[in-house]
Amino acid sequence: RKEVEQDPGPFNVPEGATVAFNCTYSNSASQSFFWYRQDCRKEPKLLMSVYSSGNEDGRFTAQLNRASQYISLLIRDSKLSDSATYLCVVNIRTSYDKVIFGPGTSLSVIP
Amino acid sequence: DAGVIQSPRHEVTEMGQEVTLRCKPISGHNSLFWYRQTMMRGLELLIYFNNNVPIDDSGMPEDRFSAKMPNASFSTLKIQPSEPRDSAVYFCATAWELYNEQFFGPGTRLTVL
Repeated sequence: RKEVEQDPGPFNVPEGATVAFNCTYSNSASQSFFWYRQDCRKEPKLLMSVYSSGNEDGRFTAQLNRASQYISLLIRDSKLSDSATYLCVVNIRTSYDKVIFGPGTSLSVIP
Repeated sequence: DAGVIQSPRHEVTEMGQEVTLRCKPISGHNSLFWYRQTMMRGLELLIYFNNNVPIDDSGMPEDRFSAKMPNASFSTLKIQPSEPRDSAVYFCATAWELYNEQFFGPGTRLTVL
């Protein structure tokens, strides 16, 4: 089993739709969590950190469930500009620190 | 701040040649990461440094790959000899500390013929 897994996608949704992505991780020593966005042929950029209590940034909401070892990203009122690949990132602290990117979920928002 | 600077942006070389990729981190960032991205394997962490010291190089695929960080403002990733399967986009990213947001450079698109 991979250490970080994401919904395989791709997700094709109409403008204005609500879409949710899930990401699961296998290592209980995981300490911090992020969602990154990567546009086609560009570098990944931080979308938002994920806090234990959940957090919201405009149309984006991130949630963490430590008991079930998953994080989620909810996008409300999708825009064409939201089309991208969304990567979840898990930082693990064991005998040494480790950063793992998930494989990504592709989103296309259609007019 | 100019952000993370990588050079070259594109590199086309022939199998067997040495390739050197360069990265200048954001000033003040203590952690530096090298990644490789392909369609098949996604984004893979190759190695990371903290305060110029390599912490984890378990992602480096083979002895053909080596990375150095001689000072806080410069890092290199070298492939010698290069092979066609090394073709990928190589990203350098930096962060204040290991658990903070990572800022990525624009990447180097490497093609080995």
